[in-house]
This record gives sequence, structure tokens and C-alpha cells, in this order.
Amino acid sequence: DIQMTQSPSTLSASVGDRVSFTCRAGQSISNWLAWYQQKPGKAPKLLIYKASALQSGVPSRFSGSGSGTEFTLTITSLQPDDFATYYCQQYTKFPWTFGHGTKVEVK
Amino acid sequence: EVQLEQSGAEVKKPGESLKISCQGSGYNFTTHWIAWVRQRPGEGLELVGITYPGDSDTRYSPSFQGQVTISADKSIGTAYLQWSSLKTSDTAMYFCARRNPWDYFFDYWGQGTRVTVSS
Repeated sequence: DIQMTQSPSTLSASVGDRVSFTCRAGQSISNWLAWYQQKPGKAPKLLIYKASALQSGVPSRFSGSGSGTEFTLTITSLQPDDFATYYCQQYTKFPWTFGHGTKVEVK
Repeated sequence: EVQLEQSGAEVKKPGESLKISCQGSGYNFTTHWIAWVRQRPGEGLELVGITYPGDSDTRYSPSFQGQVTISADKSIGTAYLQWSSLKTSDTAMYFCARRNPWDYFFDYWGQGTRVTVSS
């Protein structure tokens, strides 16, 4: 299985901050990477696919970048609704695997 | 509107059997892969397996092979995840998710089914 490593595991930030966090793949996955947002007790929500493509309806303050083994999710101006846990997922090779998540919490 | 509606929470004892469901609506259920994803309390997401309702082609993540059975009934637009003998380690939230028709990420998710296995 391809290992996905996210860092940091927790990030403390304030409303209005620009935040970025990283997802690293154990081998090259080209740009076959998705990002999801999950709030407590809720299902994950797709934000980004193909490393940088914004899912329809997702605010433009979210952006993704990277290719190969290193990827970044950036939120340009953190909003109250953005405090959540974010997961990356590779889908280049079955079984598709997720990172362990980055929790964005209130500073 | 695409929706995936999952069955309600379950509380079971070790050794019991269980089948949970996920009903799709608002799209052609037959032509889209449906996955099951496990999330243990306080942990991350793990792909259990995936099924194609059109022809019942099903694939399992290696760590779940032989532990669960995934199926689908295309006539009623419903996918299933079942256990023949539950373990306490099966305690988790289980999500169904639709695979995007052109790629391998998940574009719609069910609300989750909480399964608690305790003696």
C-alpha cells in the first residue's frame, strides 16, 4: 500500500490567517491526489482533486499544489467554517489510501 | 441531487452478524462504483473496498479481504457491507462514498453508520 504522511498533525491558527499543510506520498503518485475536509460527526467533503482542481462549490480560498510525492493544501484567509480536519488521498494505485489528517484548530 | 442515505446506528455483540446499507439516489446507481470507508474512533479514513453495481465487480483492500462482504442490489439502488462474525475491533463509523465516474476520488458521501461491538 502507498503510505501517505500528513504534517503537521495539528495546526493552531486564527481567523484570517493563511495556512498551509503538507501531504507526502511514499512513492510518486503523479498528481492523483485529493483533499477532503471533515468536521466532527460528519462525512468527509471533497475539496480538491487531481492535486489542484477545485471541486464545484468549494470556495476559492482553498487551493492545492504539488506533484510526485509532495503536495500542499493552502487556505488563503481562514474562515470560522474552516476549522476541521483535512485528509489527503492518493488514487494512483489500489488500495487508495488516506493520510492520517491535519486538524486545524482555533489558536 | 445526488444523495447516499445510510442505515442507522447498530449496537451488536461479538460474534453476531450485521449488514448495513447505503441507498443512492439522484444519479444512475448502476454505472458508478460505491466504496465503503472505515473510521475508527479518533482515527483516520481507511478504504474497506469498492463495488460496481452494474456487474457486481468487487475489490477489497488487502487488510479487509475475508473480513467483510460488499455487495449491491442495482434493482433497488442499494449497496451493502456485511460481517458474519463481528469483533470489538470492528467498532467504527462506516461511510459509503461514490467514486467519481471519470476518476478515482470520492465526490459524494453518505452520512455514516456507527457500528458499536461490545459484550
